[in-house]
Amino acid sequence: DGGITQSPKYLFRKEGQNVTLSCEQNLNHDAMYWYRQDPGQGLRLIYYSQIVNDFQKGDIAEGYSVSREKKESFPLTVTSAQKNPTAFYLCASSISVQRAGPYNEQFFGPGTRLTVL
Amino acid sequence: QKEVEQDPGPLSVPEGAIVSLNCTYSNSAFQYFMWYRQYSRKGPELLMYTYSSGNKEDGRFTAQVDKSSKYISLFIRDSQPSDSATYLCAVPYNFNKFYFGSGTKLNVKP
Repeated sequence: DGGITQSPKYLFRKEGQNVTLSCEQNLNHDAMYWYRQDPGQGLRLIYYSQIVNDFQKGDIAEGYSVSREKKESFPLTVTSAQKNPTAFYLCASSISVQRAGPYNEQFFGPGTRLTVL
Repeated sequence: QKEVEQDPGPLSVPEGAIVSLNCTYSNSAFQYFMWYRQYSRKGPELLMYTYSSGNKEDGRFTAQVDKSSKYISLFIRDSQPSDSATYLCAVPYNFNKFYFGSGTKLNVKP
């Protein structure tokens, strides 16, 4: 089955800790994304990557970091610098721009709910 | 002003009702319009997309775009309890990035 997996499903963090959220896809997609979803605010883009070893900041990158060492993996680290990290985090992927039409459908993982204790 | 605005609801309807979900957008240059459905504690999944103006129908779902008023709608006919979810409108603004609405939570009561 092709798809996107995220782990863990639920994550609890103490104040001052860094935590890393996993995202893996076996769709052979070039582009991957991280979103944060808060009640009433929709999806906000944290980081995105169009190709291995390259990534760009989204709208709310402060307090987060990413890496893209492999095509299928795009982990997100929530650092202690993120002041309000409690949220639902969604990872997505899409095919490359060069092989798509005018837009890329994004396929989403099941999400990770992070709670700061 | 947000690029895409959506009434958060919640919207509660009886089974079999016709549901209308709506978004407005700010940039007249937008050409593609998408609707995602998100069940509770799950990731969103693409439901439908439309290009430019007009209607697109898929079973009980109809997506409609009115570019003159910058208004997009999703209609659900004969709504079912299984349609209970949050519906997000989305507009791609370059090849890789989207503006998402805040989502409307729909509850269809049996």
